[in-house]
Amino acid sequence: DVKVTQSSRYLVKRTGEKVFLECVQDMDHENMFWYRQDPGLGLRLIYFSYDVKMKEKGDIPEGYSVSREKKERFSLILESASTNQTSMYLCASSSGTISGNTIYFGEGSWLTVV
Amino acid sequence: AQSVSQHNHHVILSEAASLELGCNYSYGGTVNLFWYVQYPGQHLQLLLKYFSGDPLVKGIKGFEAEFIKSKFSFNLRKPSVQWSDTAEYFCAVTILGNNDMRFGAGTRLTVKP
Repeated sequence: DVKVTQSSRYLVKRTGEKVFLECVQDMDHENMFWYRQDPGLGLRLIYFSYDVKMKEKGDIPEGYSVSREKKERFSLILESASTNQTSMYLCASSSGTISGNTIYFGEGSWLTVV
Repeated sequence: AQSVSQHNHHVILSEAASLELGCNYSYGGTVNLFWYVQYPGQHLQLLLKYFSGDPLVKGIKGFEAEFIKSKFSFNLRKPSVQWSDTAEYFCAVTILGNNDMRFGAGTRLTVKP
């Protein structure tokens, strides 16, 4: 079974803090993704990576950055957290060409910025 | 703009009622289509997917979906829902040659016992 693990399930951070959300997958997948999930908006893609040290912007990259130094790990960074970044963050991974494969999701990280 | 639309935001049904959740996409070219389900407090799980072949796809837990290319639709159906189907359902699309997946806004299904 594919496992996508998000290290923090619940976080509370202050406005202006730097926040790291970590994600690890154990299936040697090439592709990794960060989404945020908000009521009524579904899942919106923030960034994705198709290889180590490679990254691509998704639909809403503003205010976020990512890091992929190792194949199994994909980190989402909020340089200066703001209240509008309060959300559920979902990490996902898939193998090969995503258009031919299934994406697997982690359990999500609930971030509250106060 | 290219998008995935789920027209029903919240659907409330009684047990044993039939279900159909709409999904339309506006991407051209070859697409792969997915339905994911998120039960309360759990992570997203794949219900079913369409890559090619028979446009009527059967998934887990009695769900099925039909790809109608001319209508750019991939509606989810179940003939008789159960209370345990209460969840949020997401339609998603990937485009051949692209390396990302786009989701609809989700439909919350509440099944009354």
